[in-house]
Amino acid sequence: DAGVTQSPTHLIKTRGQQVTLRCSPKSGHDTVSWYQQALGQGPQFIFQYYEEEERQRGNFPDRFSGHQFPNYSSELNVNALLLGDSALYLCASSLVGHQNTEAFFGQGTRLTVV
Amino acid sequence: KNEVEQSPQNLTAQEGEFITINCSYSVGISALHWLQQHPGGGIVSLFMLSSGKKKHGRLIATINIQEKHSSLHITASHPRDSAVYICAVRSSFGNKLVFGAGTILRVKS
Repeated sequence: DAGVTQSPTHLIKTRGQQVTLRCSPKSGHDTVSWYQQALGQGPQFIFQYYEEEERQRGNFPDRFSGHQFPNYSSELNVNALLLGDSALYLCASSLVGHQNTEAFFGQGTRLTVV
Repeated sequence: KNEVEQSPQNLTAQEGEFITINCSYSVGISALHWLQQHPGGGIVSLFMLSSGKKKHGRLIATINIQEKHSSLHITASHPRDSAVYICAVRSSFGNKLVFGAGTILRVKS
C-alpha cells in the first residue's frame, strides 16, 4: 500500500503563473482534503473533495480550486500565484463515514513562488 | 484566539528527559490527533483520541474532554524524537481538521 502520494515534491513558479498539484489517496479511501502550511505555522484547511464535488471549503480565495477524479485522485489548482502562496501543500485522505480514524497524509508539495 | 493552542512553541531537552506537550482547544470535537512532522514536511499520525489515554512505545497521549485539553508525553527522550509535534482536532461539525501551530522539539545527546 503506497499510502497517500503527492506530486511533484518541489516546484518553483513565478508570480502570476498557475500551478497544479496532484494527490493520490490511500488505497480504499474516497475523500481527499488539501491543506496549506506556511513556514513555521500549522496547516490550514483549503477544501475537501468527495464524490468528485467540493464538500467543505476553508477561508481561501477563488484562485484556489480543485478537482476529484472518478479514481478518487485529486488536483489542487492555484491561479495568479502570489508570493504569499509559497508554502507546503499537504493532501490527506480518509474514508467517508470513518472520519474518526487515523489521519493519513502525503509528503507534501513545497511550492516556492518567486 | 486560535481554535487550537499548543504549548510550548519550542522545547529543548536532554536525552533521557520526560517531555510533555500540551494542546487546548475551544471547539466541540469528535476526535483529536497528535501528529509528527520531520524536516521535509511529511506528517505521520501518532495517535487519534476521543477519550482517555493511549500508549505506543515511549509515547503516551491523554485527553480530557471536559477540560478540552490533551497532552502528549515522551518518556526517555532520544535525539531521533526531534521533530515538530502537531495537535489537530476534528470538529464535531464537519470533517475538516483544525491544526495547532506545532511544537518544535529538539532533543540533545
